[in-house]
Amino acid sequence: GENVEQHPSTLSVQEGDSAVIKCTYSDSASNYFPWYKQELGKRPQLIIDIRSNVGEKKDQRIAVTLNKTAKHFSLHITETQPEDSAVYFCAASFGGSQGNLIFGKGTKLSVKP
Amino acid sequence: GAGVSQSPSNKVTEKGKDVELRCDPISGHTALYWYRQSLGQGLEFLIYFQGNSAPDKSGLPSDRFSAERTGGSVSTLTIQRTQQEDSAVYLCASSRNRGAYEQYFGPGTRLTVT
Repeated sequence: GENVEQHPSTLSVQEGDSAVIKCTYSDSASNYFPWYKQELGKRPQLIIDIRSNVGEKKDQRIAVTLNKTAKHFSLHITETQPEDSAVYFCAASFGGSQGNLIFGKGTKLSVKP
Repeated sequence: GAGVSQSPSNKVTEKGKDVELRCDPISGHTALYWYRQSLGQGLEFLIYFQGNSAPDKSGLPSDRFSAERTGGSVSTLTIQRTQQEDSAVYLCASSRNRGAYEQYFGPGTRLTVT
């Protein structure tokens, strides 16, 4: 079946360093790739998303890159801050534009002051 | 505007009892999703509704789980004869349409089966 793999499962960085989380997907028809941030005890919230017609998207300290040929996409957080500490989930659409999202298993990011 | 709401926020029930969890999606959102999140784990897809179409029930873990969506708005997830392994946070999300659209999550219902 369709699958999204996310790595690493845990990531610890020093404040100010960069963090990179990578995901691969199996459905070549996937065309939408959102990233969600879930702080402890709170609901997941969208932080950035990318569609298959672009290779990179930036929003301040956050960027996402997409390689459709290799079927992988990555989240990059620069100048990390303690408030970036959370669980991050990637997702990919499957079943075309009328399908559903499959989520990765999450990455727990810890930013140490 | 109002986001996705869920009730109750917490539910403690005895093994074998039935429970109903409620989700109020964002007004105008045609797609509604239910997920289960066990402690420290990812988002397990359960079921989703799109407009008046038949729901996609492919993620329901057993026939003890069912859901309905009345009038294309409010949804109820029912778990019959609850088991301890059903303990988890149940998250509801809605989106403008199915597929390639942002999903807005509710705060979740924490279910504990004793």
